[in-house]
Amino acid sequence: KAGVTQTPRYLIKTRGQQVTLSCSPISGHRSVSWYQQTPGQGLQFLFEYFSETQRNKGNFPGRFSGRQFSNSRSEMNVSTLELGDSALYLCASSRTGTSGGAVSSTDTQYFGPGTRLTVL
Amino acid sequence: QKEVEQNSGPLSVPEGAIASLNCTYSDRVSQSFFWYRQYSGKSPELIMSIYSNGDKEDGRFTAQLNKASQYVSLLIRDSQPSDSATYLCAVRNNFNKFYFGSGTKLNVKP
Repeated sequence: KAGVTQTPRYLIKTRGQQVTLSCSPISGHRSVSWYQQTPGQGLQFLFEYFSETQRNKGNFPGRFSGRQFSNSRSEMNVSTLELGDSALYLCASSRTGTSGGAVSSTDTQYFGPGTRLTVL
Repeated sequence: QKEVEQNSGPLSVPEGAIASLNCTYSDRVSQSFFWYRQYSGKSPELIMSIYSNGDKEDGRFTAQLNKASQYVSLLIRDSQPSDSATYLCAVRNNFNKFYFGSGTKLNVKP
């Protein structure tokens, strides 16, 4: 079974620009979560999508947004880029239990390879 | 108080020794606990999950959970230089939100 895929793997942007990152979850997984990882702050949760709806949200400004499509693929957008947005952006997928979206206690989250974003 | 606390290390152990990594969490109702390994420049890789009090063994890895003390640990037996990485402890709440510790850097010296 193919793992989580993310595109692009590397990205260089300048301040003020916007960027869109893409994530395709493991087949059959319906939940996609996004994280930002920096050396100083560690792994920080951005948001989680399930069935095209944002189910959880972290403490990031509104410049960070996301969406999920009917095939569970997800995109994350960052507008008006700042130097501090330089980071490794990771997405992770999980199956998340029943069709009602109930979380299975044994459900596990698997990470993609990440997108390395550099803002100049 | 952070949801998940880990000692940042580095933790240095000689090859062949047991490495012990520890993690505490604040949400008493948490039910699912995970250990991820992350090599420099790579994404986190799941190595263990544990849901019940006690020990869970998988090869050289043993995860230990004590819900009363809100404590999770990971033991790596016969440590190898290839085990040198940052180990992230993660706790999941009932709404599928994961909380990660800042990670413990492990160095296994040949």
